[in-house]
Amino acid sequence: DAKTTQPNSMESNEEEPVHLPCNHSTISGTDYIHWYRQLPSQGPEYVIHGLTSNVNNRMASLAIAEDRKSSTLILHRATLRDAAVYYCILRDFGTSYGKLTFGQGTILTVHP
Amino acid sequence: ETGVTQTPRHLVMGMTNKKSLKCEQHLGHNAMYWYKQSAKKPLELMFVYNFKEQTENNSVPSRFSPECPNSSHLFLHLHTLQPEDSALYLCASSQDVSRLSTDTQYFGPGTRLTVL
Repeated sequence: DAKTTQPNSMESNEEEPVHLPCNHSTISGTDYIHWYRQLPSQGPEYVIHGLTSNVNNRMASLAIAEDRKSSTLILHRATLRDAAVYYCILRDFGTSYGKLTFGQGTILTVHP
Repeated sequence: ETGVTQTPRHLVMGMTNKKSLKCEQHLGHNAMYWYKQSAKKPLELMFVYNFKEQTENNSVPSRFSPECPNSSHLFLHLHTLQPEDSALYLCASSQDVSRLSTDTQYFGPGTRLTVL
């Protein structure tokens, strides 16, 4: 599986935007970029995914670089509830099934 | 509430005990997964079931034995575990593994297992 690199931790203030970066320089043409997050004492939850174009949903936006070697998860207005570990994951639809391979993720701290 | 429930939420067992973890999904999904999350390590995929058939065993020791009697229920039977098996065990479900990279996985809250 292609590998992703994320900062170990980031901090933000409440109601400010947060940009969480992810590098995936070895991404292949069949890899989708997925983001999950894990709140304290909970299982991971899906946030967003994309292939080539930028994507928006009610939780976040995903900005994908033109060469697809990096992407950024954008939380437009961070809340205390957004404090979590954020995982950037590549899933290959060229294989028989796209496994989720989790890395260490980015620990996001949100200050009041 | 994700639609995936796990019981028990906490479990303490001795190395000679036999116990089982239960997972149930109310989402109408056909694929179910077991993951292990140890302290300071990434989540590790253990087993995958699709339409009740096991499709992935990620080199898991035989002291962990999964069972999937139907698409809604998944069990993880535990016997003669070691202290290093202490971890958070997470269950997840998705519509169908063959839907590939657009398939979203929904996770339960996990069972915190401590092996003494």
